[in-house]
Amino acid sequence: EADIYQTPRYLVIGTGKKITLECSQTMGHDKMYWYQQDPGMELHLIHYSYGVNSTEKGDLSSESTVSRIRTEHFPLTLESARPSHTSQYLCASRPDRGGAFFGQGTRLTVV
Amino acid sequence: AQSVAQPEDQVNVAEGNPLTVKCTYSVSGNPYLFWYVQYPNRGLQFLLKYITGDNLVKGSYGFEAEFNKSQTSFHLKKPSALVSDSALYFCAVRDLGRDDKIIFGKGTRLHILP
Repeated sequence: EADIYQTPRYLVIGTGKKITLECSQTMGHDKMYWYQQDPGMELHLIHYSYGVNSTEKGDLSSESTVSRIRTEHFPLTLESARPSHTSQYLCASRPDRGGAFFGQGTRLTVV
Repeated sequence: AQSVAQPEDQVNVAEGNPLTVKCTYSVSGNPYLFWYVQYPNRGLQFLLKYITGDNLVKGSYGFEAEFNKSQTSFHLKKPSALVSDSALYFCAVRDLGRDDKIIFGKGTRLHILP
């Protein structure tokens, strides 16, 4: 099992609320990623980080923001949730050489 | 730019039969290729990778993949399918450009018929 954790697993929240999705890894990886995935569909990269204090926007435009103050922690924040944000959010990290390890995902529903 | 294509949205295979899930790639330079599996309501699980060496790569759960440079393919295979193999499979390539991202295919849903 990979040591990368996402919380919460499931979240139902009202429109306009601020939410933070947590992602932590204990493998010491510098590179971390956030993907957005509708059920059974392709993955879209929304944010990534090369290391502490590094954040970049991904290929899919997202209203969310991320921060990377510590190597092990890469939280994603939505300042004002909307129903269009309903999706699954997957966090991943990887070593310099090799593939990515994924968390279990957070399934977000905005009502 | 690096890219990866999975030409089949869904593959149906009878239990016990061999299975193949197709993937082709486009890279500049040597490819780093991966296969992942996703079960319902779960994150992605790493199956196997090719970086260098033997063209036949063995991975988890009895899966293997064959790297074919001339055909720019990296098809996922298993000699005998199990119903429990039913899942969504993603091929991926590492973009060794400035961003060093991992680029995923659109996924192939594998359905094993009992």
